[in-house]
Amino acid sequence: AQSVTQPDIHITVSEGASLELRCNYSYGATPYLFWYVQSPGQGLQLLLKYFSGDTLVQGIKGFEAEFKRSQSSFNLRKPSVHWSDAAEYFCAVGLSGGYQKVTFGIGTKLQVIP
Amino acid sequence: DVKVTQSSRYLVKRTGEKVFLECVQDMDHENMFWYRQDPGLGLRLIYFSYDVKMKEKGDIPEGYSVSREKKERFSLILESASTNQTSMYLCASSPRQSYNSPLHFGNGTRLTVT
Repeated sequence: AQSVTQPDIHITVSEGASLELRCNYSYGATPYLFWYVQSPGQGLQLLLKYFSGDTLVQGIKGFEAEFKRSQSSFNLRKPSVHWSDAAEYFCAVGLSGGYQKVTFGIGTKLQVIP
Repeated sequence: DVKVTQSSRYLVKRTGEKVFLECVQDMDHENMFWYRQDPGLGLRLIYFSYDVKMKEKGDIPEGYSVSREKKERFSLILESASTNQTSMYLCASSPRQSYNSPLHFGNGTRLTVT
């Protein structure tokens, strides 16, 4: 079975600083990988996804993520964080060949300080 | 835009009550999902459905059941609510056999069982 590890539960960054959120997955085949964001009181919204091809994927709100097969990682990055980016971020891996059962990490809560 | 609507934002129920959580989506999606979200545990899949009247157990189905009588509606049922079912419940939908399609989430129902 697939699994997802987000090693950082909380991260605090200053507004304007760069951001990297870590995600490692465990899955035997080529994974379908996602990053979602959850603002307070809201459901999850897709930031970006990776299935194949270019290992650097661009998403909404200026986010990008890089798939590194050798490290089983899919880290999320943003060059300059805005106060509105404060939210919880979830990495997820999808199971190909099935009914799209998706496994989520436990989430990383991002705090942005002025 | 896909809209997934959960009927209640907040719900307070007593131990032993039968509880219904309702979810409706307006994009003719075949797949629908129920997750619960708890701090430190991320999102865990309770049940999913890939067609009307079809259902599959997720990772934590104990104490829950589901109903899918119409394509757009997916109900989560707590047969006899217990305090350990106090949680945030998230409904999601996606089109069939589109493994690279993201999940579309509702805003969640925060259930408190006293």
